Parts: sequence; C-alpha cells; structure tokens
Amino acid sequence: GENVEQHPSTLSVQEGDSAVIKCTYSDSASNYFPWYKQELGKRPQLIIDIRSNVGEKKDQRIAVTLNKTAKHFSLHITETQPEDSAVYFCAASTGGGADGLTFGKGTHLIIQP
Amino acid sequence: GAVVSQHPSWVICKSGTSVKIECRSLDFQATTMFWYRQFPKQSLMLMATSNEGSKATYEQGVEKDKFLINHASLTLSTLTVTSAHPEDSSFYICSDAPPGRGQYFGPGTRLTVL
Repeated sequence: GENVEQHPSTLSVQEGDSAVIKCTYSDSASNYFPWYKQELGKRPQLIIDIRSNVGEKKDQRIAVTLNKTAKHFSLHITETQPEDSAVYFCAASTGGGADGLTFGKGTHLIIQP
Repeated sequence: GAVVSQHPSWVICKSGTSVKIECRSLDFQATTMFWYRQFPKQSLMLMATSNEGSKATYEQGVEKDKFLINHASLTLSTLTVTSAHPEDSSFYICSDAPPGRGQYFGPGTRLTVL
C-alpha cells in the first residue's frame, strides 16, 4: 500500500517569513495530492491540492509543487501570519481524489510574532 | 467545497456498549464516503470506504465485525462501533469526495469509552 512520509514534524518560523513542508510517497499509481490544515479540535480543512498532470499550483500565499519522478511534493506558504499556525497534513491517493487518502504524520507549524 | 455533517459531535459510553455515528453529505449525492480515525496528536488513518447499496471496503487491520458501516442512501453513511472498549476512544471523521473537487471532512465525532 501507499506510504507517505512528511517532514519536518515541527516547524517554527518568524511572522512574515516563508514555510516549506515536504512529503514523499511510495506508490507510483498515486495521482492526487491534497494538503489539509487542522486546528486543535477541528476538522481538517482542504487548503490546496494538485493532480499528477500538473507540476505546480498556487493560490494566493499558498503553493504546492509536485515532482513525480522523485515522488515528492511540497507545500509553500509565503508571508506567514499568526493564523497560519496549525497542524498541516499532506496526503496521497489514486483515483484522482475519488479514493481514500493516505496521510503523512503531520507538521505542527508555529508562527512566531 | 462540499458540506458534510456528523452526529453526534461527541459521545461518552460504557465499555461493552455500541455507538452509532451518522455522516451526511448535504450538497451532493455521495455514492462513496470514507471513514477515518484520528488518535490524539496523531494523523488520520483510513478505516473503510462506504459504498452506497453495497458492502463497505475495510482497510487492512480494521475489524469489519466491530466497525459496522451502512450506506443505505446517497446522503447518509453510518458507522457503528460495536462492543466498544477504552482503546476505541478516538476522533472519528467521515468525508465525501464530490467528483473533481477534492475530499471534504465532517466535523468529527469524539468517542470516549469508559
């Protein structure tokens, strides 16, 4: 089955700086890679996703890059703000998103004021 | 995104009892829904895929006789934790996946088994 590794487990950055979280996956059949933000006690919220036919996708301060050859994808957050503090999870699946997700272990992002 | 509701949001039960959790897809007809479990400070783990009108597909290591899934309509999937024990205490979250739009989660149900 699929295995998703996520690094780092904790990331502390100064407000206004950029944050990068990296994930690798093992199943070459995976073709859908979402990122979720989860605040304490809340549901995971989909913040951005990318499909395997695209190398990069951007939405305002958030971007995701995908390297299919190396089987890794990354989340980039620019101009970080205090409200970006949360746990971020990457995930992978087959079926273009119609199948169940395999999650990474999560990254606790801390934005220092 | 999609709108998914869950009920109850939290439940406390005694060991040995059964608990039913409902998951509703509010804005589209979901032939497939998913059930995940999240232990404190851990990641989400897929338990099973709920298929409307047919049997659920369980992930390896998930006991199908303990976690009963029913998906009798296009908007409702239920998860019943049978003979619950303290080690079943967890955050149970369902999701649906509108075609081409990603996967969206319900608010979750926090189960505590005494």
